Amino acid sequence: DTEVTQTPKHLVMGMTNKKSLKCEQHMGHRAMYWYKQKAKKPPELMFVYSYEKLSINESVPSRFSPECPNSSLLNLHLHALQPEDSALYLCASRAGGEFSTIYFGEGSWLTVV
Amino acid sequence: QQQVKQSPQSLIVQKGGISIINCAYENTAFDYFPWYQQFPGKGPALLIAIRPDVSEKKEGRFTISFNKSAKQFSLHIMDSQPGDSATYFCAARGIGNEKLTFGTGTRLTIIP
Repeated sequence: DTEVTQTPKHLVMGMTNKKSLKCEQHMGHRAMYWYKQKAKKPPELMFVYSYEKLSINESVPSRFSPECPNSSLLNLHLHALQPEDSALYLCASRAGGEFSTIYFGEGSWLTVV
Repeated sequence: QQQVKQSPQSLIVQKGGISIINCAYENTAFDYFPWYQQFPGKGPALLIAIRPDVSEKKEGRFTISFNKSAKQFSLHIMDSQPGDSATYFCAARGIGNEKLTFGTGTRLTIIP
């Protein structure tokens, strides 16, 4: 089973709202990722957690706040977003090992109004 | 800085034909090269991947060709089908590096 589950699939939020995106994997993968994808563009890395610790932050604005409660869960907390933050947010995970594959979830479509 | 260049941006192929997508990289530290297929409204799904110690890998109708000296790799889809219509991304990652660098994507359309 190579499944990464993301909820919600669609989210509409106002610029003053606080919301969260959730991601879950039960493959025992040690690394989990958040990517952002705009239409007709490749995914852009936002954050990487390795063994539940934040290892990479690609200079993401503080209105995006990641959290890794345990090895299976990854959250992305959203606050005071801008309309230009509207995008597909993808969670991914990877097992250990040099050549292990990164598996993506179906994504959460976020619209900021 | 664009580290993985992908071409063409879009490609139209007749059903039964061969679809070819090319990628070139600059960073010699890259050592793992996956291809992802993405349908509209879905997340990217791993299609096939190659390591630089082999020159070709085939899985069903999908083949990756790898030229280490030229720092180029390509995806060939044989007997292309309408169900193959999707966006394809090449990618690269280096040893010990968590970051997957994507190409710009190719929108493939297979026409009857």
